[in-house]
Amino acid sequence: GQNIDQPTEMTATEGAIVQINCTYQTSGFNGLFWYQQHAGEAPTFLSYNVLDGLEEKGRFSSFLSRSKGYSYLLLKELQMKDSASYLCAVRPYNAGNMLTFGGGTRLMVKP
Amino acid sequence: GAVVSQHPSRVICKSGTSVKIECRSLDFQATTMFWYRQFPKQSLMLMATSNEGSKATYEQGVEKDKFLINHASLTLSTLTVTSAHPEDSSFYICSAGGQGSGEQFFGPGTRLTVL
Repeated sequence: GQNIDQPTEMTATEGAIVQINCTYQTSGFNGLFWYQQHAGEAPTFLSYNVLDGLEEKGRFSSFLSRSKGYSYLLLKELQMKDSASYLCAVRPYNAGNMLTFGGGTRLMVKP
Repeated sequence: GAVVSQHPSRVICKSGTSVKIECRSLDFQATTMFWYRQFPKQSLMLMATSNEGSKATYEQGVEKDKFLINHASLTLSTLTVTSAHPEDSSFYICSAGGQGSGEQFFGPGTRLTVL
């Protein structure tokens, strides 16, 4: 089975840096995704990690350690529009495109 | 990126009626689509995997006779909520698998309210 844990809520200040952690326990692993979801909208893709290390994409970076079952999403130079839920999702091995989502982290960015 | 559409975006219906939600991949073919349900302030819960030309695979606890899924073509999957009840009120989101990394592309969601 799959077990994915991430903090429920986080608060950060505009212009700051925030790190959202995700730990997972899976029977097989074939990639980890981060999605952003604003209230009432569909999730949008942020990043994908399948190998260990850091993937950087503009203000957003994502890190993966497969041996530790651990990932984080790093958001730099926070903007008010970054207030959203951030979903960590794991793709099990031999499951095609199926994803298992964590509970999501609601990030509130304050002025 | 690929585009997935959903229709309707919002529906309000009376208890006991059936509601059909369409999910379309607009610029790519999707042999597999996924249906999720999301309650307020909760994450996405996978309901079923929709396979083109074959029966859907339902997750544990999801009633296949209540949530009918039809994947008639490579670009269209439908979810029909039969005999809807107020507890079925939720945000229903479909997604289609992309190529390469296997990223899923999500539709804009359908907000269902059952009175």
